[in-house]
Amino acid sequence: QVQLVQSGAEVKKPGASVKVSCKASGYTFTGYYIHWVRQAPGQGLEWMGWINPNSGGTNYAQKFQGRVTMTRDTSISTAYMELSRLRSDDTAVYYCASSIAVAGIDYWGQGTLVTVSS
Amino acid sequence: DIQMTQSPSSLSASVGDRVTITCRASQSISSYLNWYQHKPGKAPKLLIYAASSLQSGVPSRFSGSISGTDFTLTISSLQPEDFATYYCQQSYSTPTFGGGTKVEIK
Repeated sequence: QVQLVQSGAEVKKPGASVKVSCKASGYTFTGYYIHWVRQAPGQGLEWMGWINPNSGGTNYAQKFQGRVTMTRDTSISTAYMELSRLRSDDTAVYYCASSIAVAGIDYWGQGTLVTVSS
Repeated sequence: DIQMTQSPSSLSASVGDRVTITCRASQSISSYLNWYQHKPGKAPKLLIYAASSLQSGVPSRFSGSISGTDFTLTISSLQPEDFATYYCQQSYSTPTFGGGTKVEIK
C-alpha cells in the first residue's frame, strides 16, 4: 500500500533552517510529483511547492522562493523540504503529499510539526 | 497565481442537514478543482477530484458540481463524522487552496 512517512517534530530558533523528510513506499517514487503543504495554527492549508522525483525539477510558491529547497534521493525513495531563515510564523504542520491514482492529491504523509521559538 | 475564494468561512448545521460550500476561481480553471476534508490532528482527505468525481471510498452523500468558474461541494445529509474543515484546491496551474469552510455542530 502507498505510504508517505515523514520525519519527527522539530523545534528551531528564529533564523535557523529545518529539513523535513518524506519516505515513500508502495509505488514508483519517480513516477509522481511530491507536494509540500503546510498549515499554521488557526490558518488554512498552504501549498509550498512540488518536486519531480524523476528529474529533480521543482516549482515553488512565490511566497517561499529563496527560502525553500526541495530535493530528493531516489536511492531511498525519500523527498526533502528545507526551509531557511525561519520565523515564528513558520510554526506549522508540514505535510508531504502526492497525486498518484487520480487528479487530486490522494496520498498524504502524517505531518511534521515544526515549532519556531526563541 | 489563481485565487480561490471559498464561502462561507464557517457554518453551523445539524445532523441530517443539506450543506453547500462554494468556491470561485479568479479565472477559468476548467474542471481542475479538488475538494478536501480536514480534521484536527489528521492529514487532509481527498473527497472530490476534477470538480465532480467522487474519490474511491468516499460516501455518496458528498458531491461536486461546476458552473463556469463557480464550484460547489454538497453534503446531502450531514453526518456526525462530517464536522470538519473543507478546502477547495485548483490544479489548473500552480496549486492554490481556498481559505477553508469550517462546518460546526448547531
